[in-house]
Amino acid sequence: DTAVSQTPKYLVTQMGNDKSIKCEQNLGHDTMYWYKQDSKKFLKIMFSYNNKELIINETVPNRFSPKSPDKAHLNLHINSLELGDSAVYFCASSPSSGSVNEQFFGPGTRLTVL
Amino acid sequence: EDQVTQSPEALRLQEGESSSLNCSYTVSGLRGLFWYRQDPGKGPEFLFTLYSAGEEKEKERLKATLTKKESFLHITAPKPEDSATYLCAVGASGTYKYIFGTGTRLKVLA
Repeated sequence: DTAVSQTPKYLVTQMGNDKSIKCEQNLGHDTMYWYKQDSKKFLKIMFSYNNKELIINETVPNRFSPKSPDKAHLNLHINSLELGDSAVYFCASSPSSGSVNEQFFGPGTRLTVL
Repeated sequence: EDQVTQSPEALRLQEGESSSLNCSYTVSGLRGLFWYRQDPGKGPEFLFTLYSAGEEKEKERLKATLTKKESFLHITAPKPEDSATYLCAVGASGTYKYIFGTGTRLKVLA
């Protein structure tokens, strides 16, 4: 019974392609996040949704578009992939955005753009 | 600008050799400071939350402390299974964001 799951685990694709990463949490949390972790292990917030409403939209290229069909799911779609998009992408969830809570992370999706 | 800095970048210890990891932060208003452990190929795993200066939390060989400018993660008599990257993150006032440091890579040798 995985708490936060992501698919796929690995994604290898060519430049210019469009791809999606899916995330699901079964913790009943209200808030979900997408992070990008670069080769130096730095975790940078990209987006956050609270109850399907976008609350964090960092300065990322508009080729990246999050979608939250319900509060248990947050997907990430990336258009026109570039070499610099290669990284590990983590989904996370937390109980609420209104208070400061620990986050629960998924296993990550390693994206490699060739 | 809100900022989190961790040191050292990497640390090698012999089994049983105690040490401390540092997390220095500059935020407009601290709402919480978090420690996570990340194993290779996995997502960060939550360890501790600290909310105010003077607070301490313990779990097995780990103890986290907090001052107004920094937090320490003390590791007492570490074992090889404590080898991992330890990440510090802060939640600041006026934002939903959590700002992460770049982590400390800990290697404990048997």
